Amino acid sequence: EAGVTQSPTHLIKTRGQQATLRCSPISGHTSVYWYQQALGLGLQFLLWYDEGEERNRGNFPPRFSGRQFPNYSSELNVNALELEDSALYLCATKDRGAGELFFGEGSRLTVL
Amino acid sequence: GEDVEQSLFLSVREGDSSVINCTYTDSSSTYLYWYKQEPGAGLQLLTYIFSNMDMKQDQRLTVLLNKKDKHLSLRIADTQTGDSAIYFCAEYGTGKLIFGQGTTLQVKP
Repeated sequence: EAGVTQSPTHLIKTRGQQATLRCSPISGHTSVYWYQQALGLGLQFLLWYDEGEERNRGNFPPRFSGRQFPNYSSELNVNALELEDSALYLCATKDRGAGELFFGEGSRLTVL
Repeated sequence: GEDVEQSLFLSVREGDSSVINCTYTDSSSTYLYWYKQEPGAGLQLLTYIFSNMDMKQDQRLTVLLNKKDKHLSLRIADTQTGDSAIYFCAEYGTGKLIFGQGTTLQVKP
């Protein structure tokens, strides 16, 4: 069975541009979580989607947004990129009734 | 507020046991997790424990939970060089995982 898949693996953008990152959950998982792992800042919670709705949001500006599609895959959009947005963006998925929460390999965003 | 604390570094000899400790603050946590991260990779789920359990064992891994003291530990028996990585504990509550800073485990041959 396929795990959590994220694309692209690497993305290079310049300041002011927009980035779109994608996440496909494990089959049967309806919850998608997004995290940012920036150097020296640890793992910071960004967004939680479940059943197509945004359920929780971390302490990030509105230029970080996303959505979840009917097939439970998800997109994270980062507008007006800043240098400090350079980070590994990790997606995790979960079946609502279960305990396991699995992460993908991440998308590394570099902003120049 | 919600907070998870871990020691930053642990060094052990190959074959010894490793114990990584973690404390958390949210008493409403439902699950507590241990993840492993190798350089340049995502997070690998090692094990998790439901908050009403005291212990969980899975092959070389033993998780102990002291809910009263909000203390979680991960014991790795017979530690191997391939266990060298960063280990994160995390608590799940109110719709998100809160992570500790990670403990770098160094295994010396």
